[in-house]
Amino acid sequence: DTGVSQNPRHKITKRGQNVTFRCDPISEHNRLYWYRQTLGQGPEFLTYFQNEAQLEKSRLLSDRFSAERPKGSFSTLEIQRTEQGDSAMYLCASSLLGTDDPEAFFGQGTRLTVV
Amino acid sequence: QKEVEQDPGPLSVPEGAIVSLNCTYSNSAFQYFMWYRQYSRKGPELLMYTYSSGNKEDGRFTAQVDKSSKYISLFIRDSQPSDSATYLCAMNSGGYNKLIFGAGTRLAVHP
Repeated sequence: DTGVSQNPRHKITKRGQNVTFRCDPISEHNRLYWYRQTLGQGPEFLTYFQNEAQLEKSRLLSDRFSAERPKGSFSTLEIQRTEQGDSAMYLCASSLLGTDDPEAFFGQGTRLTVV
Repeated sequence: QKEVEQDPGPLSVPEGAIVSLNCTYSNSAFQYFMWYRQYSRKGPELLMYTYSSGNKEDGRFTAQVDKSSKYISLFIRDSQPSDSATYLCAMNSGGYNKLIFGAGTRLAVHP
């Protein structure tokens, strides 16, 4: 297993376009998280899945954002009608439910630039 | 006021120095305290975590948590140029592990 995989690594899009990012977690991990990181800041929590159920969404996740995790495997994050303020690094992380180990493994992120 | 405060630096030290990185927090419910290292344009990598108060050592790295003061630290001994990165503190109250991050401290270790 090569860890958490995110695609694409970079995305440049014009304002108003829709974009979709994909995250493949570590295979046995049933918890999956999306975070957003802007320049000079730490990652900020967006949403959390336990298996296929989306259990929490941050106030940061406006109605233009939607995330899915069909069948509890990979996850997608879609942003509709992108705005320049959406430019950021979008990070996915996964961890294993049922252990005391709180470790969450992060992917390399998808860097979004809205022009 | 943010839940987790971290001095963004930058911090510049000579090779071999002892580095001290710190965070303060306001939420007394936090139980797990983590330190992540992030190289430029990469995802964060977990260095170590501590549960509740106390110290934890891993090689050149030592993490300390003082819950009474709501203050955590990461010490790096014999710092190397390869330690140059942004160090993020993060914490949560356990459960499903939503992490609250500090802003990160940028560290540069020069030869």
